[in-house]
Amino acid sequence: SQELEQSPQSLIVQEGKNLTINCTSSKTLYGLYWYKQKYGEGLIFLMMLQKGGEEKSHEKITAKLDEKKQQSSLHITASQPSHAGIYLCGADFGGNTPLVFGKGTRLSVIA
Amino acid sequence: NAGVTQTPKFQVLKTGQSMTLQCAQDMNHEYMSWYRQDPGMGLRLIHYSVGAGITDQGEVPNGYNVSRSTTEDFPLRLLSAAPSQTSVYFCASTIPGGGSEAFFGQGTRLTVV
Repeated sequence: SQELEQSPQSLIVQEGKNLTINCTSSKTLYGLYWYKQKYGEGLIFLMMLQKGGEEKSHEKITAKLDEKKQQSSLHITASQPSHAGIYLCGADFGGNTPLVFGKGTRLSVIA
Repeated sequence: NAGVTQTPKFQVLKTGQSMTLQCAQDMNHEYMSWYRQDPGMGLRLIHYSVGAGITDQGEVPNGYNVSRSTTEDFPLRLLSAAPSQTSVYFCASTIPGGGSEAFFGQGTRLTVV
């Protein structure tokens, strides 16, 4: 959807390096959801952000939502091969409609 | 807990054939939706439902029909399959009002030849 832009489209990082994935909305977000998808499998929920300036962490993954609630970033510290996959951001624009997703970021972690 | 169950996992159809992709959830979620995933396109919404008896179109509804006769089930029908419908299909469910994650099935990989 053009309402939600995700960047970069793909990313190759060396094991141990940090990386950031961005998700930018053209409208104010009611909520922003991050999912991970391993190749050929379903989506795994990572984190949900709702408040401006909110930040959540789980293991080595940190997600933030900016104060204006239009941009989110996902940061992985000291990447590992297990982090490889497709990362998708999903936007809740309100109005009882389903999540709108970005096009995804394909992450590869090489030794 | 089973969560969201999709069947079949894989399917090959000939152009013009019809079929139904099944989706069932056991979490008593009001909201259910169907997405398709194509390379480089992320997830695009096909149809969704906010409760039994209520359905609405998403971003790419053409060529697909849905119905919601029960809270648990939300089947997706392809009336006359076309090669452009080759994709991976995901069903999702969640509770209304936002603030809760959407639960996804494992996907159905459909090839139309």
